[in-house]
Amino acid sequence: KQEVTQIPAALSVPEGENLVLNCSFTDSAIYNLQWFRQDPGKGLTSLLLIQSSQREQTSGRLNASLDKSSGRSTLYIAASQPGDSATYLCAVPTSGTYKYIFGTGTRLKVLA
Amino acid sequence: SAVISQKPSRDICQRGTSLTIQCQVDSQVTMMFWYRQQPGQSLTLIATANQGSEATYESGFVIDKFPISRPNLTFSTLTVSNMSPEDSSIYLCSAGLAYYNEQFFGPGTRLTVL
Repeated sequence: KQEVTQIPAALSVPEGENLVLNCSFTDSAIYNLQWFRQDPGKGLTSLLLIQSSQREQTSGRLNASLDKSSGRSTLYIAASQPGDSATYLCAVPTSGTYKYIFGTGTRLKVLA
Repeated sequence: SAVISQKPSRDICQRGTSLTIQCQVDSQVTMMFWYRQQPGQSLTLIATANQGSEATYESGFVIDKFPISRPNLTFSTLTVSNMSPEDSSIYLCSAGLAYYNEQFFGPGTRLTVL
C-alpha cells in the first residue's frame, strides 16, 4: 500500500532563502508525481508534474526532482518570497492506477 | 490544463439534511475524482466519478452516504447525505486528462454541519 510522507511538517524562513521540501513514498511503481500548493481555505494549485521517466522539472523559481529507486522527490524553491507562504503537497498514484495518494504536507511561512 | 469550478463554495447545513455539490470542467476530461479534506488534514480520495456508470468508491466510503453522478465528460455532482457534524470538511473535485496524467483541482466546497 502506497504511503507518502513529507518532511518537514512546517517551515518558517526569512525572505530570500533557498529551501528544500521533501516527499517520500513507499511504492516506487508510479506513473508520475505531482506537487501542489494550497493556500488556506482554498483548493489546490498544480505546481509541477514529473513523469516516471523524468528526473526533474522546472517552473520559474521551482525545481522538482524525482528518484524513483529511492522513493523520494524534492521541491526546491529559490529566493523565497512572502507570497510563497502556503501548504505544499506531493501526490503519487497508487500502484498501477491514476488514483493519487497525498502526503501530509509542508506548511511554509516566508517572513518579510 | 483544465479550469474547474465548484458550487457552492461554502455552506452551513443542519444535521440530517443532504447537500449536493456541483463540479464543472471547462473541457472534456477522462477522469474526475472527489476528495475530502478534514480540518487540518491532507486529502483523502472518496471516489472516482465514471461517466455513464456508477462511481468507484474507496474503502470507507459508500454510495448511500456519498452518491455521485457524472452524466457527461465535463460535469459531476457529489451528494453528502444525512449529514452529521463529522462530515464538516472541504470537498474537492479534481479532473485529469489520462494521457497527460496531471490533475487539476477545483476551489473546493467548505461544508459545516451543525
